[in-house]
Amino acid sequence: EVQLVESGGGLVQPGRSLRLSCAASGFTFGDYAMHWVRQAPGKGLEWVSGISWSSGSTGYADSVKGRFTISRDNAKNSLYLQMNSLRTEDTALYYCAKATGYYYDSSGSDFWGQGTLVTVSS
Amino acid sequence: QTVVTQEPSLTVSPGGTVTLTCGSNTGAVTSGYYPNWFQQKPGQAPRALIYSTTNKHSWTPARFSGSLLGGKAALTLSGVQPEDEADYYCLLYYGGARVFGGGTKLTVL
Repeated sequence: EVQLVESGGGLVQPGRSLRLSCAASGFTFGDYAMHWVRQAPGKGLEWVSGISWSSGSTGYADSVKGRFTISRDNAKNSLYLQMNSLRTEDTALYYCAKATGYYYDSSGSDFWGQGTLVTVSS
Repeated sequence: QTVVTQEPSLTVSPGGTVTLTCGSNTGAVTSGYYPNWFQQKPGQAPRALIYSTTNKHSWTPARFSGSLLGGKAALTLSGVQPEDEADYYCLLYYGGARVFGGGTKLTVL
């Protein structure tokens, strides 16, 4: 059974940093790209970032480019999102999602975690 | 700025058929945008329905189908069930990034 468990969310002040993690199990993690998607309270889904199976390619939404960094450790079956210079508008539930193929840009997402809540507030 | 457009809301009767669309301000949506569709019910994580325009996941009910229609990606529900009431999101590929539409709230009434 595929499982994705996000962690690392919490309350943080504007301008500070936070690192999210996603622990994957139930599939060969290193064979698939991964995504981060977020959802602000009461709002729609926003694709945040994606990473290919080998970390060879990554992509970011314009809203987070230059502030967020996606990475993965295939040996630890883990996905990460380093979030710097956080803004109040980054407040959201952050989901990690498994891609359907090797590359994040041409792959959709099939399995999703339950999300971890990030609140940016002073 | 890339904008993906969806109908904000649609209403359908049980047993009826409804088509949700997904357009782009950059022009016609083609298979090269790898359209994906997701369903989300209140308090739940999104559930994937369709990938790469027409492909269903193993759990996708047969009444859901994806296509291209009039320059847009489309999700058609045939024989709508009460449990199909949910928010539906499309996702398109744009040269290294992916962008969600604003979502369609589907009411079954």
